[in-house]
Amino acid sequence: GENVEQHPSTLSVQEGDSAVIKCTYSDSASNYFPWYKQELGKRPQLIIDIRSNVGEKKDQRIAVTLNKTAKHFSLHITETQPEDSAVYFCAASKWGYSTLTFGKGTMLLVSP
Amino acid sequence: DARVTQTPRDKVTEMGQEVTMRCQPILGHNTVFWYRQTMMQGLELLAYFRNRAPLDDSGMPKDRFSAEMPDATLATLKIQPSEPRDSAVYFCASGLGTSGNHNEQFFGPGTRLTVL
Repeated sequence: GENVEQHPSTLSVQEGDSAVIKCTYSDSASNYFPWYKQELGKRPQLIIDIRSNVGEKKDQRIAVTLNKTAKHFSLHITETQPEDSAVYFCAASKWGYSTLTFGKGTMLLVSP
Repeated sequence: DARVTQTPRDKVTEMGQEVTMRCQPILGHNTVFWYRQTMMQGLELLAYFRNRAPLDDSGMPKDRFSAEMPDATLATLKIQPSEPRDSAVYFCASGLGTSGNHNEQFFGPGTRLTVL
């Protein structure tokens, strides 16, 4: 089955800096890669996703890049703000299949 | 704003007791997932239903855990007997499955279970 590795497990940045979280996956058939954000005590929520037919996708301050050859994808957050502090989970799946395999999460702390 | 709901939000029980957690998926969603979240293991998939039929429960300890969907508006996860190692946050999520444009899963608020 699919295995998703996520790094780093914790990340501390200063407000305004950029943050990058990286994930690798094992199943070359995976072609859908979402990112979920979970604030303290709250439910995980989808913030951005990418399908394997594109290499990059942006939504305001967040972007995701995908390297299918190397089987890794990354989340980039620019101009970080304290409200970006949360746990971020990457996941992998095959398009048309409902189940997601999640990474273990990255705790991002943005200091003012 | 349709949301997945879960009850109870918090549950404290003693070892050996039965625990039942309930989930109401978003109306119209045909897939339901149960996850367990711990610091050590992250989000683990316990069970997965499509159109109320169980498709995958390989992540669930079969001897003590059971998951059902009595109808399209209710999913249940039971632990009997509960053990301290079951202490975790249990999330339910629902989605449109293959009939949707994407695989997004919508999570409920979770049930925080503490087994003493």
